[in-house]
Amino acid sequence: DGGITQSPKYLFRKEGQNVTLSCEQNLNHDAMYWYRQDPGQGLRLIYYSQIVNDFQKGDIAEGYSVSREKKESFPLTVTSAQKNPTAFYLCASSRTSGYSYNEQFFGPGTRLTVL
Amino acid sequence: AQSVSQHNHHVILSEAASLELGCNYSYGGTVNLFWYVQYPGQHLQLLLKYFSGDPLVKGIKGFEAEFIKSKFSFNLRKPSVQWSDTAEYFCAVNARTGGFKTIFGAGTRLFVKA
Repeated sequence: DGGITQSPKYLFRKEGQNVTLSCEQNLNHDAMYWYRQDPGQGLRLIYYSQIVNDFQKGDIAEGYSVSREKKESFPLTVTSAQKNPTAFYLCASSRTSGYSYNEQFFGPGTRLTVL
Repeated sequence: AQSVSQHNHHVILSEAASLELGCNYSYGGTVNLFWYVQYPGQHLQLLLKYFSGDPLVKGIKGFEAEFIKSKFSFNLRKPSVQWSDTAEYFCAVNARTGGFKTIFGAGTRLFVKA
């Protein structure tokens, strides 16, 4: 089955610790995205990547970092500089060409709680 | 800057009632438009999309949406809702000159009473 996997589903961390969220896709999509979902605020873009070894900041990149060393993988690190890291994090991917190239496919999400 | 506005944050309907969720966006150029749905405990998934052609698009589970360019709107409709339509619905807009950045609305939580 093609799709996007995110792990873990729930993550608890102490304040001041960095934490890395995993995102893997086997859809052969070039573009990948990280969003943060907070109640009443919809999805806000953190980072996105259109191609391996390249990524761009989204609207709320401060306190986060990413890497894109492989097409299939786009891990997100929530650093201690993120002031309010407790949230639901969604990873997505899409094609970058052809019909429906901006249709995004989403993973199940990771709920991060910082204690 | 682009923005997407969903007019209703919470909607409660009885089964068989008609549904219309409003979505307006601010961008003057060519856009791709989407409605995504998040059922309780499930992944966010595509409900329907508009790229070009007929402005009335049909999606899964009997949903449809109409793109009205002059009103910058892409409202979602369903003639008769079911209890299983209880979910959160997100409107999203991608400006074709904006690359691969898609802007999402704040979402509308729909609860359908059985």
